[in-house]
Amino acid sequence: QVQLQESGPGLVKPSETLSLTCTVSGGSISTYFWSWIRQTPGKRLEWIGYIYDTGSTHYNPSLKSRVTISIDRSKNQCSLRLSSVTAADTAVYFCARHPYHDFGSGRYKHEYYMDVWGKGTTVIVSS
Amino acid sequence: EIVLTQSPGTLSLSPGERATLSCRASQSVRNSYLAWYQQKPDQAPRLLIYGASSRATGIPDRFSGSGSGTDFTLTISRLEPEDFAVYYCQQYGGSPFTFGPGTKVDFK
Repeated sequence: QVQLQESGPGLVKPSETLSLTCTVSGGSISTYFWSWIRQTPGKRLEWIGYIYDTGSTHYNPSLKSRVTISIDRSKNQCSLRLSSVTAADTAVYFCARHPYHDFGSGRYKHEYYMDVWGKGTTVIVSS
Repeated sequence: EIVLTQSPGTLSLSPGERATLSCRASQSVRNSYLAWYQQKPDQAPRLLIYGASSRATGIPDRFSGSGSGTDFTLTISRLEPEDFAVYYCQQYGGSPFTFGPGTKVDFK
């Protein structure tokens, strides 16, 4: 059974860069899209962006100028970097998997709901 | 960006009662690409429904989803004690993907 585990510093100073890693276990990172989502202290959920196993990315325009998502297939990991953080970036950060349907002969239909989530990691931005 | 509104904010019910949760979109959701998630305290969201009405693997049949266009509904036919939680809708028909603010189902 596939499991996701987020990791990284729990405290980041304002103006610095937040860096988190999502490690996938019990399954392969290949052929899937992977998203980062965050949940604010007010419990609102915000999609940050996703990456495909080829390295292709798509970001939320509200964060696009500060976000980089990358993938390391050899380590079965994807990573999130968010630059120039402020207190507004304080949140629980989740990684999640987007499933796909395999029709054979290399044909897939990727879905954009999220069927597997990590437990999340809390990041506080404070000096 | 598609804005999702959920109502009510809080639903106070007793076990065995029926729960009806609403999710309304600011514009039509393409292909009914609307999902519902359940979240309990200190846990990640759990997928319940995708494509507006398809139950995810392992989800009991007391959970059902319906709707299209801009109006969607999650129904829990008979509440079990473990169903008291916060429920979020998410649209994935347009970018960016967006979530509603959630409906809390709590004990009356």
